[in-house]
Amino acid sequence: GNSVTQMEGPVTLSEEAFLTINCTYTATGYPSLFWYVQYPGEGLQLLLKATKADDKGSNKGFEATYRKETTSFHLEKGSVQVSDSAVYFCALSDRGGGGSQGNLIFGKGTKLSVKP
Amino acid sequence: GAGVSQSPRYKVAKRGQDVALRCDPISGHVSLFWYQQALGQGPEFLTYFQNEAQLDKSGLPSDRFFAERPEGSVSTLKIQRTQQEDSAVYLCASMRGRIEETQYFGPGTRLLVL
Repeated sequence: GNSVTQMEGPVTLSEEAFLTINCTYTATGYPSLFWYVQYPGEGLQLLLKATKADDKGSNKGFEATYRKETTSFHLEKGSVQVSDSAVYFCALSDRGGGGSQGNLIFGKGTKLSVKP
Repeated sequence: GAGVSQSPRYKVAKRGQDVALRCDPISGHVSLFWYQQALGQGPEFLTYFQNEAQLDKSGLPSDRFFAERPEGSVSTLKIQRTQQEDSAVYLCASMRGRIEETQYFGPGTRLLVL
């Protein structure tokens, strides 16, 4: 079945460092791909998404490109801030059936801590 | 507020008790999802509603889990005869349409079964 694998954390970086969080997926067909973020004490929020191959999602300085050839959707940011400290989840939209219209399949999450 | 709300935010239950978790989706959103998030894991799909119709319940872990959305708005997830392995955060998400769009998540209900 469909699945998502993302790098395990925690990841600790200094402010202004470059961030990469790896995410690969297994899916039949062509799912949409997402990055969600969960800030401390808050609910899941959509960070960015891409709906087809070679699409690049971007938001708040974060980027991820849908790579069909490598089945990847790695999250990157050029210069992280303390306020980026959160748990990041990679997810795909499962169009596999059962009547659902896009329930999400998540990775396990990667906790990012950014130190000043 | 305009977001998804869930209640209670925290629930402690003794093993064997029944619990009911409520989700108020964004007004007018057609689709509603329930997910279960165990500690240190990503959310896992439980069930999906389109208006009042439960179209997919393939993720419900046992027949002790039951969900409803009788008027196509508020939804309730009920767990009967709770077990310790039911301890998790239960997340609700709503989506405006019927096909794949952005899902908006509530803050979750943290259930602890003792």
